[in-house]
Amino acid sequence: GAGVSQSPSNKVTEKGKDVELRCDPISGHTALYWYRQSLGQGLEFLIYFQGNSAPDKSGLPSDRFSAERTGGSVSTLTIQRTQQEDSAVYLCASSLAPHDTQYFGPGTRLTVL
Amino acid sequence: GQNIDQPTEMTATEGAIVQINCTYQTSGFNGLFWYQQHAGEAPTFLSYNVLDGLEEKGRFSSFLSRSKGYSYLLLKELQMKDSASYLCTDKLIFGTGTRLQVFP
Repeated sequence: GAGVSQSPSNKVTEKGKDVELRCDPISGHTALYWYRQSLGQGLEFLIYFQGNSAPDKSGLPSDRFSAERTGGSVSTLTIQRTQQEDSAVYLCASSLAPHDTQYFGPGTRLTVL
Repeated sequence: GQNIDQPTEMTATEGAIVQINCTYQTSGFNGLFWYQQHAGEAPTFLSYNVLDGLEEKGRFSSFLSRSKGYSYLLLKELQMKDSASYLCTDKLIFGTGTRLQVFP
């Protein structure tokens, strides 16, 4: 079956603009994760959704970042008033169950000019 | 708090064996994962340990000691294609990754 997909694959935006990044998890996976990876760095946890539970937002770096997961499937990560330091690859992953093996999407490369 | 530590970089020769260590401090341990990430690509799952001991999977093995908060990934018969970053994680927190370069 299809893996995790993300769109767009690349996004270039101007400082101060809002952006939306989309993630389509593997069908039937209950858990969904967002990470950020700057060049040459490790994965920085952003937010975690599990079923209908309240999301774990403890990794969001500021209130400019928010995410939703509609219908327990597709998720959107929104960054408002983008800053140059937001430039990174944003990775989404899903897993069948909580804390199970994560399957990653190809990522969205965000560049803020 | 939660913390994952692993070496930043390692080098090895084709055909050799390399061990990548990972120490962790976490609450509510659910097992330890290793992922491989080639440059410019997304991470892919390598191994998972929830009980103490060694899990072997072909050329790759992973070891866990829960009492010591320690794990390692062992790569045997190294190949050039094994040049990648290796990420250790307990659940949501990833280590910085160990960038392994394999030389001929």
